[in-house]
Amino acid sequence: SQKIEQNSEALNIQEGKTATLTCNYTNYSPAYLQWYRQDPGRGPVFLLLIRENEKEKRKERLKVTFDTTLKQSLFHITASQPADSATYLCALDAPGNTDKLIFGTGTRLQVFP
Amino acid sequence: DAGVTQSPTHLIKTRGQQVTLRCSPKSGHDTVSWYQQALGQGPQFIFQYYEEEERQRGNFPDRFSGHQFPNYSSELNVNALLLGDSALYLCASSGGHEAFFGQGTRLTVV
Repeated sequence: SQKIEQNSEALNIQEGKTATLTCNYTNYSPAYLQWYRQDPGRGPVFLLLIRENEKEKRKERLKVTFDTTLKQSLFHITASQPADSATYLCALDAPGNTDKLIFGTGTRLQVFP
Repeated sequence: DAGVTQSPTHLIKTRGQQVTLRCSPKSGHDTVSWYQQALGQGPQFIFQYYEEEERQRGNFPDRFSGHQFPNYSSELNVNALLLGDSALYLCASSGGHEAFFGQGTRLTVV
């Protein structure tokens, strides 16, 4: 079955630095991959979607890359701020051209002033 | 424009009881999916409803059932609650690939 791996250890960085989160997947070639932000006790919030034929996508301070050969996506937050502290979830679409999403366990990001 | 709304926000039930959770999708969305999120884990897909029918189902037992109404709102029912059903239950609606989530219902089974 499809498996998504995100670094389960928290990522602690200093304000102003670039945060880089990793998402690796196996046993599947998704048509697209998504990143969500989740704050404690809240539902995930959609950030970015990248398709299999796209190498990179940007939105303001966010950048996502998608390497279908390595089966890996990288999520970057540049000029990070304490308000960026949250858990970031990677999700890919399930096989069969459906809207079902398979999520990773998420990586907790803590940005210190 | 209201986003996805869920009710109740918190719920405490006793093992063996039954529970119903409710969801109203984002305006214009006709597809509703339910996810279960245990502490420290990512959301796990339960099932998806479209045109009042269950279109897909994840690896959850038949104790988990649902319904979608003509106005696209949806219910999740869980029978014979187990302690392991304690989790954050998330409803998501979609009109494309990205999902819009509600704030979730925190269910605690004691």
